Amino acid sequence: DAGVIQSPRHEVTEMGQEVTLRCKPISGHDYLFWYRQTMMRGLELLIYFNNNVPIDDSGMPEDRFSAKMPNASFSTLKIQPSEPRDSAVYFCASSSRQGLNTEAFFGQGTRLTVV
Amino acid sequence: AQKVTQAQTEISVVEKEDVTLDCVYETRDTTYYLFWYKQPPSGELVFLIRRNSFDEQNEISGRYSWNFQKSTSSFNFTITASQVVDSAVYFCALSEAGGSYIPTFGRGTSLIVHP
Repeated sequence: DAGVIQSPRHEVTEMGQEVTLRCKPISGHDYLFWYRQTMMRGLELLIYFNNNVPIDDSGMPEDRFSAKMPNASFSTLKIQPSEPRDSAVYFCASSSRQGLNTEAFFGQGTRLTVV
Repeated sequence: AQKVTQAQTEISVVEKEDVTLDCVYETRDTTYYLFWYKQPPSGELVFLIRRNSFDEQNEISGRYSWNFQKSTSSFNFTITASQVVDSAVYFCALSEAGGSYIPTFGRGTSLIVHP
């Protein structure tokens, strides 16, 4: 398996623009997570899905953030409108709960810069 | 309150030295998992190890070893004979039964290995 695939790897956008981050989880994994990494706050969970259903979005900072998972192999995280303070690395991760396997496998991240 | 504490923000060693990265966790659950991840300069998060709360056996994998002690709520990571390629940020994480096994990360320890 190719692992978790995120696109784009880097995104530079102007304040006020819409940004869409994409993720393809590992095939067969039933959990998908979106994390954000900043120097100030470290790695924080934004939202997670189980079997394509959003379970907990309490980490989503504002209504400007939204996430969807239309099927088991694709998820998006959208920011509209974007602001400079949204600049961060956004990670998508997936996991399977079969047996004792609870670890999350991460994509390479999307580095977002909002100017 | 932080559930995972990595008190060492940055550690600097010279190649071939042994180094221990500390991780202290907090949970009321009897069933939980602990993890270590490595984030090299390229930015991806690489899963290293998972331990469950019922297995306190220490683990060794090559130059890496992990010491899990429930009595002190610690899960420390030792690198023996460190190498320049070990330079990275290392994250400790916890997932709990009461938290739906969603990983919560510490703030990370930056390890710099000088030649």
